[in-house]
Amino acid sequence: EDQVTQSPEALRLQEGESSSLNCSYTVSGLRGLFWYRQDPGKGPEFLFTLYSAGEEKEKERLKATLTKKESFLHITAPKPEDSATYLCAVQASAGGTSYGKLTFGQGTILTVHP
Amino acid sequence: NAGVTQTPKFQVLKTGQSMTLQCAQDMNHNSMYWYRQDPGMGLRLIYYSASEGTTDKGEVPNGYNVSRLNKREFSLRLESAAPSQTSVYFCASWGRNQPQHFGDGTRLSIL
Repeated sequence: EDQVTQSPEALRLQEGESSSLNCSYTVSGLRGLFWYRQDPGKGPEFLFTLYSAGEEKEKERLKATLTKKESFLHITAPKPEDSATYLCAVQASAGGTSYGKLTFGQGTILTVHP
Repeated sequence: NAGVTQTPKFQVLKTGQSMTLQCAQDMNHNSMYWYRQDPGMGLRLIYYSASEGTTDKGEVPNGYNVSRLNKREFSLRLESAAPSQTSVYFCASWGRNQPQHFGDGTRLSIL
C-alpha cells in the first residue's frame, strides 16, 4: 500500500526565516511526486512534479527536491503570502498504469508572520 | 477558462437525505476523480473514472455512488447521508503528462 507522511503538521515562521517541509513516501514504483499549495476555502493548486531521485524544481521562493525515500520543499525568505497548507502526493506505476491516481499526505500548515 | 467546476459550493443535509454533487471540466481530460478531505487526514480518493464509460472504487467508496455522464461531467451521489460523510469534497481531472487539476470543493454538513 502506498503511503505518504508529511512533517511537521504545522510550521510557524517569521517573515524571512527560511525552513523546509518534509514528505516521506513508500510506493510500489514512483511515477511522480507532486507538491500542491492549498489556500483556505480553495482546492489544491499545483506547484511541482518530480520524477526521479536527484531532481530539483524551483519557483520563486520555493524549491522542491527528491530522494528515493523523501522529498523536501524548501522555502527561502518566506513572506506572509506564502502562508497556506502544502500537500505532497505520489503517483505509483505499479501494474503498468495508475490511471493518474494520487496518494496524498496529510499536509503541512505553514503560517508566516510579518 | 474555468478548469474544474463543482456545484454546489455549500450544502447542509439531514441524516438519511440523498444528494448529488456535480463536477464538470473543460480541459478535455480523460480521467476524473472524487476525493474527500477531513482535518488531519489529507485527501482520500472515493471513486475515479479513468475514461468515459468507466468508474472504479478508490480508498473510501462505502456510502457513495458515481456516474460519468460524459467526458466532461462526473457526479458523486450520497444515497442516504450519514454524519460521518460531513466533509469537504473535491473533484479533479487529469490528462496524460499533466498534474491533476482540482475544483474549489463542496462543503457538506450532515446533521
